[in-house]
Amino acid sequence: QKEVEQDPGPLSVPEGAIVSLNCTYSNSAFQYFMWYRQYSRKGPELLMYTYSSGNKEDGRFTAQVDKSSKYISLFIRDSQPSDSATYLCAMGDTGGFKTIFGAGTRLFVKA
Amino acid sequence: KAGVTQTPRYLIKTRGQQVTLSCSPISGHRSVSWYQQTPGQGLQFLFEYFSETQRNKGNFPGRFSGRQFSNSRSEMNVSTLELGDSALYLCASSLLGTGDEKLFFGSGTQLSVL
Repeated sequence: QKEVEQDPGPLSVPEGAIVSLNCTYSNSAFQYFMWYRQYSRKGPELLMYTYSSGNKEDGRFTAQVDKSSKYISLFIRDSQPSDSATYLCAMGDTGGFKTIFGAGTRLFVKA
Repeated sequence: KAGVTQTPRYLIKTRGQQVTLSCSPISGHRSVSWYQQTPGQGLQFLFEYFSETQRNKGNFPGRFSGRQFSNSRSEMNVSTLELGDSALYLCASSLLGTGDEKLFFGSGTQLSVL
């Protein structure tokens, strides 16, 4: 079993839709949770960063962490064609010297 | 401030050959991590270096190795290439390399093994 599970999609939505992306994990030591966005032929870039459980909002993006269920989510409101990319969840703990990534979900937003 | 630079961008090799990939981190960053990205497996952790020392290693065979130089630049080497090694190899840098830090990625080296 992988430490982090993420549905690879693809996920196709119309412009303006609300998008929900999710990951589950098994290692209870993870305390830091991130979402990276990767455009084609580019490296991933950090989109959202949260510590422990709770919500964090940044513009159209909201990240949620539920440590009791070992479940994290990313919501995108009013999705745009420019949001079309691969979204990777990632997590780590302070002393682990590594960040573990999910497989990534490919998102297509159609105009 | 210059970003993470990976060279070369593309490589084509044949089975049995070896390959060396290079990564220059952001100035001031002392940690370099390497990841292998494939459509089926996503981003898989290879290893992490800090101050020329490997501090963590993923579940890859010994054919995959790396090193870091005193200027924080890093190289990874894959010997006796196999078809399954075809992938995008990504390098990421950060200040300290702890699991709570933001990673800055390069654009990767796309390796094709024929």
